[in-house]
Amino acid sequence: KNQVEQSPQSLIILEGKNCTLQCNYTVSPFSNLRWYKQDTGRGPVSLTIMTFSENTKSNGRYTATLDADTKQSSLHITASQLSDSASYICVVTELNDYKLSFGAGTTVTVRA
Amino acid sequence: EAGVAQSPRYKIIEKRQSVAFWCNPISGHATLYWYQQILGQGPKLLIQFQNNGVVDDSQLPKDRFSAERLKGVDSTLKIQPAKLEDSAVYLCASSFRETGGETQYFGPGTRLLVL
Repeated sequence: KNQVEQSPQSLIILEGKNCTLQCNYTVSPFSNLRWYKQDTGRGPVSLTIMTFSENTKSNGRYTATLDADTKQSSLHITASQLSDSASYICVVTELNDYKLSFGAGTTVTVRA
Repeated sequence: EAGVAQSPRYKIIEKRQSVAFWCNPISGHATLYWYQQILGQGPKLLIQFQNNGVVDDSQLPKDRFSAERLKGVDSTLKIQPAKLEDSAVYLCASSFRETGGETQYFGPGTRLLVL
């Protein structure tokens, strides 16, 4: 069964600090990996998408990396803001049938 | 561009009652998804439609859950009868096509509490 494991489960950081979220997956064959941001009470919103050949992708203060050989991805948040408080979900798409495998998410809390 | 609309936003029912959720996808999006998201977990796909046809309903508990997308636009998801473990957020998402490269756009979800 394809799995997506995220760590840590939750973290608290001070405003202005950086943090890195991890995503390990076993999905194979692999099509792409997305990071979604889900604010409390809202649906997930896509931040980045990376295919097999891409190592890094940025979206403002969010930078995602991908190592397809080790099946690992990370999401780095730079100079965190209060509005970054949310759950960040890693989603991996299987190549053949485009099935999505969702991680459980990492809950980030940014404090002033 | 209007996003994915869902209603109601919140629903509280007693176990064994019935409930229905409604979703209006982004205009022109052929693919529609219903997900169940239990607190602290990632979304789990319940059913995927391509236009008005079902593509994947392998994880839909068909003894109590049903969904339809009669005209290939709006969709409804029904639970009858509800159980305590059905308490979750039900997310609707849509995408332009059914391919791995397409971004899914999610609605705000319907938060269901079964007492």
